[in-house]
Amino acid sequence: EAQVTQNPRYLITVTGKKLTVTCSQNMNHEYMSWYRQDPGLGLRQIYYSMNVEVTDKGDVPEGYKVSRKEKRNFPLILESPSPNQTSLYFCASSLWQGGMNTEAFFGQGTRLTVV
Amino acid sequence: RKEVEQDPGPFNVPEGATVAFNCTYSNSASQSFFWYRQDCRKEPKLLMSVYSSGNEDGRFTAQLNRASQYISLLIRDSKLSDSATYLCVVNPQGAQKLVFGQGTRLTINP
Repeated sequence: EAQVTQNPRYLITVTGKKLTVTCSQNMNHEYMSWYRQDPGLGLRQIYYSMNVEVTDKGDVPEGYKVSRKEKRNFPLILESPSPNQTSLYFCASSLWQGGMNTEAFFGQGTRLTVV
Repeated sequence: RKEVEQDPGPFNVPEGATVAFNCTYSNSASQSFFWYRQDCRKEPKLLMSVYSSGNEDGRFTAQLNRASQYISLLIRDSKLSDSATYLCVVNPQGAQKLVFGQGTRLTINP
């Protein structure tokens, strides 16, 4: 079954404690991205990756890091989480064809609370 | 001006009604367009792609108007299960990303 898997689904942590949210896809997609979703602001892109070892900032990258060592995995790292990073996070993957994104498949989301 | 704008709603309509949403985009050279559906606290899922010629999938019809830079979604004979947030998504030319609208919340009432 084609899917994007992210873990954990729920996480409560304290300010400053490093955490990683994992994301894995089984569709051999080149393009992967991370979004955060906040009430009234919609989905905003944090980072994206066009392929292995190729990553770039999205619209709201501050306070986040990513890596793409393998095509299937794209973890999101918060080195020193702060309360303003409390949000619902989604990982997504898609084909990159002819300079365009095709349908994006999303993981189930990670609800992060930083206290 | 936001890259993609939607009326956030909420839209409350009776079961069986026809409802339509519009979404405007700012980049006139945008290349691909989608409607996604998102249920409460769940991940967005593709509802339909939007083609220049317009397309229909059962009760759902999507249209693209490049001259006025908007896309629309029409839902006929609405069902209770259509209650969700509908996200307009655009791939601007030259941008290596999908840009999401804020979403339009729809509630179908019995």
